[in-house]
Amino acid sequence: EPEVTQTPSHQVTQMGQEVILRCVPISNHLYFYWYRQILGQKVEFLVSFYNNEISEKSEIFDDQFSVERPDGSNFTLKIRSTKLEDSAMYFCASSELGVAWGYTFGSGTRLTVV
Amino acid sequence: QKEVEQNSGPLSVPEGAIASLNCTYSDRGSQSFFWYRQYSGKSPELIMFIYSNGDKEDGRFTAQLNKASQYVSLLIRDSQPSDSATYLCAVSFGNEKLTFGTGTRLTIIP
Repeated sequence: EPEVTQTPSHQVTQMGQEVILRCVPISNHLYFYWYRQILGQKVEFLVSFYNNEISEKSEIFDDQFSVERPDGSNFTLKIRSTKLEDSAMYFCASSELGVAWGYTFGSGTRLTVV
Repeated sequence: QKEVEQNSGPLSVPEGAIASLNCTYSDRGSQSFFWYRQYSGKSPELIMFIYSNGDKEDGRFTAQLNKASQYVSLLIRDSQPSDSATYLCAVSFGNEKLTFGTGTRLTIIP
């Protein structure tokens, strides 16, 4: 069964450093998303991406965050200057036809900011 | 603020019994409703989605939607120990994002 692949599975970074989280969505999917889940809390929407541009973003997704689809397969989330409160599980998701049909989530990247 | 509410549990159900999970949402204009299962330390896995009032069945799972009451539920028949997980209700309020509830932790007791 097709999968959304995320790398790395775990990243530890120092506060103030830049991190890039990588995702390879399912190949025929056109809609891409990033969510995060702080330990013990809800899954929270960060951003949706379609047709090479952001279609929607949450208030969490401030100027420190950016997304990019640098080629035909990768989808990345960059955090420019990490804060302690950015520590969370970050999930990439993709969908063939948009939210109405649900997403497939990747296995996640656990980001720990120290 | 558009909200999705779930009882956090834990909900304990004997093996073989029916587990009933409930979710309410705040916006009558909500369009799509999803149930995800999340094992500890893992990513959410889509179980079912439902758009129309009534029931939708898929194997041991039945989703029920009542838009007038702003209520969606998930029934799991013949519960198995492998069903022990956190069940997340998620709602699309008409845009590309899903709003998740806090999840209900379900434990199936052998």
